[in-house]
Amino acid sequence: AQSVAQPEDQVNVAEGNPLTVKCTYSVSGNPYLFWYVQYPNRGLQFLLKYITGDNLVKGSYGFEAEFNKSQTSFHLKKPSALVSDSALYFCAVRDRWSDYKLSFGAGTTVTVRA
Amino acid sequence: NAGVTQTPKFRVLKTGQSMTLLCAQDMNHEYMYWYRQDPGMGLRLIHYSVGEGTTAKGEVPDGYNVSRLKKQNFLLGLESAAPSQTSVYFCASSYPGWRSNQPQHFGDGTRLSIL
Repeated sequence: AQSVAQPEDQVNVAEGNPLTVKCTYSVSGNPYLFWYVQYPNRGLQFLLKYITGDNLVKGSYGFEAEFNKSQTSFHLKKPSALVSDSALYFCAVRDRWSDYKLSFGAGTTVTVRA
Repeated sequence: NAGVTQTPKFRVLKTGQSMTLLCAQDMNHEYMYWYRQDPGMGLRLIHYSVGEGTTAKGEVPDGYNVSRLKKQNFLLGLESAAPSQTSVYFCASSYPGWRSNQPQHFGDGTRLSIL
């Protein structure tokens, strides 16, 4: 079985401050991990992924994520948040040996205030 | 550069009516998926397809049927709509499982209300 937990329903930060969105996962094997962002009335857009190798992954729009195997976490970060980063963020996990199944967290709403 | 296109974007149905949601992708992906998104629950997989002519059940398949007659199209049907099926429906596509490190690509969704 595989699952994802996003412990925070909402994250509020001021523009220019660091942004962190938390994600923990559970899989029976080695994980592939993904972050997606959803803007209002739009579909999910891929931000970044962890497959193997360097634990720090860089993605689109200045986002990065750190894979921590011992803590089974994959937190999304941005050093300096923008108002335009306000959106719904989803973490997702797939067992490396799974043919298709991608499990999503419940999502975290990020609000960046000017 | 269309990617994944869903039609319609919005629809209101009465209980018991039927309808079909259409998904089309132009990326030559083998795999296609239908999800529903409900507040606080993330995305849940309804049905998926690993190739033309094949379909399989996901986590929440009851009340839905699907067909994949052409590689680029994946249809989701509601035979007798119920209020519990009020949701936002997303279609996605991807490369095959053996390339499972590749992300899924999503359409913009269909917002469906059942009265």
